[in-house]
Amino acid sequence: AQSVTQLDSQVPVFEEAPVELRCNYSSSVSVYLFWYVQYPNQGLQLLLKYLSGSTLVKGINGFEAEFNKSQTSFHLRKPSVHISDTAEYFCAVTLYGGSQGNLIFGKGTKLSVKP
Amino acid sequence: DAGVTQSPTHLIKTRGQHVTLRCSPISGHKSVSWYQQVLGQGPQFIFQYYEKEERGRGNFPDRFSARQFPNYSSELNVNALLLGDSALYLCASMRSMDSPLHFGNGTRLTVT
Repeated sequence: AQSVTQLDSQVPVFEEAPVELRCNYSSSVSVYLFWYVQYPNQGLQLLLKYLSGSTLVKGINGFEAEFNKSQTSFHLRKPSVHISDTAEYFCAVTLYGGSQGNLIFGKGTKLSVKP
Repeated sequence: DAGVTQSPTHLIKTRGQHVTLRCSPISGHKSVSWYQQVLGQGPQFIFQYYEKEERGRGNFPDRFSARQFPNYSSELNVNALLLGDSALYLCASMRSMDSPLHFGNGTRLTVT
């Protein structure tokens, strides 16, 4: 079975500072990896995904993530955050070759960007 | 194009009652997935349907059931509601089984 651990439940950061949200996964087989963002009172929006190929994945809103198979990590980064990036971020995993509709999510990291 | 629409947006029920939540996928999307998001937690997979057939089921009791209609809309039914069923229920659609998910804004269910 697969599982996802998001190491930080809350991350406060000042505007224009860089940020890294950490995600580790556990699986005995290959996986697909995702990052979703959830704004207050809304559903989830896909930021980026890793299916195969280059381990550095670029997503929307200036976010990127790097897949590290040896460390079973998929950390999300942004070089300079904005107030509008304040939201909750979820890392998710599914089996390689499996449906992207059946995802296992982490517990989320609340990013709070302060002026 | 309209996104995934869910109804109702909010719902209050009493323990022991039954509830039906509805979801309309994005036009052209043939698969619908349902997730439960308890406050402070990540979404947890309940069901996935594709072309009206169940393609996946999460670790939920038999009180939870779902179906997909010929127009690809879907219903999630929960019987004998418990206080612990209070959560945001998210519906998501995808064009095919290897496409990414698009989420609706959810139905907030409160069980008293």
